[in-house]
Amino acid sequence: LAKTTQPISMDSYEGQEVNITCSHNNIATNDYITWYQQFPSQGPRFIIQGYKTKVTNEVASLFIPADRKSSTLSLPRVSLSDTAVYYCLVGDMDSSASKIIFGSGTRLSIRP
Amino acid sequence: EAQVTQNPRYLITVTGKKLTVTCSQNMNHEYMSWYRQDPGLGLRQIYYSMNVEVTDKGDVPEGYKVSRKEKRNFPLILESPSPNQTSLYFCASSPLGEISGANVLTFGAGSRLTVL
Repeated sequence: LAKTTQPISMDSYEGQEVNITCSHNNIATNDYITWYQQFPSQGPRFIIQGYKTKVTNEVASLFIPADRKSSTLSLPRVSLSDTAVYYCLVGDMDSSASKIIFGSGTRLSIRP
Repeated sequence: EAQVTQNPRYLITVTGKKLTVTCSQNMNHEYMSWYRQDPGLGLRQIYYSMNVEVTDKGDVPEGYKVSRKEKRNFPLILESPSPNQTSLYFCASSPLGEISGANVLTFGAGSRLTVL
């Protein structure tokens, strides 16, 4: 499972666009990139997943450059309710190495 | 509704008193896993299971046991709980689908355990 590196924390204001970058230099050919959001005392929940280029859903966009060694989660026009911890995961649960390492995530704080 | 259900949600117990935290999913997922979350340490994997009767250790398995006798259930057993097992526990499940590496975890609501 590829190790990921994210900023520990970020601050922003309501209405701004927030971009959180994740570094995964050892990503394997079969690996997808998945982002989760976690609110205090709740389980993480899936936000978005991608393999290459750009993926967009109703919540966020995910930008993946051609070399796939990093990815950027983009949250458009954030609100106070977007305050949470965001985790980037890279890996494959089908292989024998099925340990899933979440890392410390990025603690995003949104201010009024 | 597709979900992962954990019970109990909150439990206070004493050192040495065996307890079981149940986890059940209704999505026919092959993969199930347990995590603990402690302040400053993030989510750490305890055990996981790729399918019925197939379990393996995660990063912090000491003091825990699991079993996977049925596909939908994956209980976490603390044979002799100690205070250092006071934590927030999460169960999660995922399909092992055709697209390798694209599986998404669904988490339960969490079980907050306090061992005195």
